[in-house]
Amino acid sequence: DSGVTQTPKHLITATGQRVTLRCSPRSGDLSVYWYQQSLDQGLQFLIQYYNGEERAKGNILERFSAQQFPDLHSELNLSSLELGDSALYFCASSVGPQNTEAFFGQGTRLTVV
Amino acid sequence: AQTVTQSQPEMSVQEAETVTLSCTYDTSESDYYLFWYKQPPSRQMILVIRQEAYKQQNATENRFSVNFQKAAKSFSLKISDSQLGDAAMYFCAYRSRMAGSYQLTFGKGTKLSVIP
Repeated sequence: DSGVTQTPKHLITATGQRVTLRCSPRSGDLSVYWYQQSLDQGLQFLIQYYNGEERAKGNILERFSAQQFPDLHSELNLSSLELGDSALYFCASSVGPQNTEAFFGQGTRLTVV
Repeated sequence: AQTVTQSQPEMSVQEAETVTLSCTYDTSESDYYLFWYKQPPSRQMILVIRQEAYKQQNATENRFSVNFQKAAKSFSLKISDSQLGDAAMYFCAYRSRMAGSYQLTFGKGTKLSVIP
């Protein structure tokens, strides 16, 4: 158990819908990363937050947004869902943005039908 | 932008034998980190080993070791005395040391099967 908690573990939804994925980082970790793992694109970085502020942005679609709350949990919001958004979404956390070891949650499997 | 390439989509190894997974990367930076992550069927991403580019000595963690060739931009993972529990997807990853660029860039992965 990495100490990073992601909910829900599985999510099935219809095209056009909006979903929210939640991540609770390890106790004491201030930095949160979101990654998307799909069969065609592999593992891709989406976005990073540190202590509530956005630090880096990767290949995140405009339909997707994220935030980190004062209690340090983070949410990834996916809207106007398309079939191609079906993927495994990982959250990872580290103590600070410069720390080299990021601990991954078990992911949320999103299926868009 | 950095890229990471794993040229072996699948590999297999006999139990107790040794296997080497390949990884090459492209970067213009001189200081960075390289990682190998394991993803078993449980989907959990587990850090196997980490290498700092400024260190010439190859990292070792028990049965796992790397061959880091900085000039060739090569970073292979050697698994000795392979065990059934080593069966998983293995991802090579790169991380910059530049501020604002601390995210991981992953290769496509190598699926390792261990034959009893």
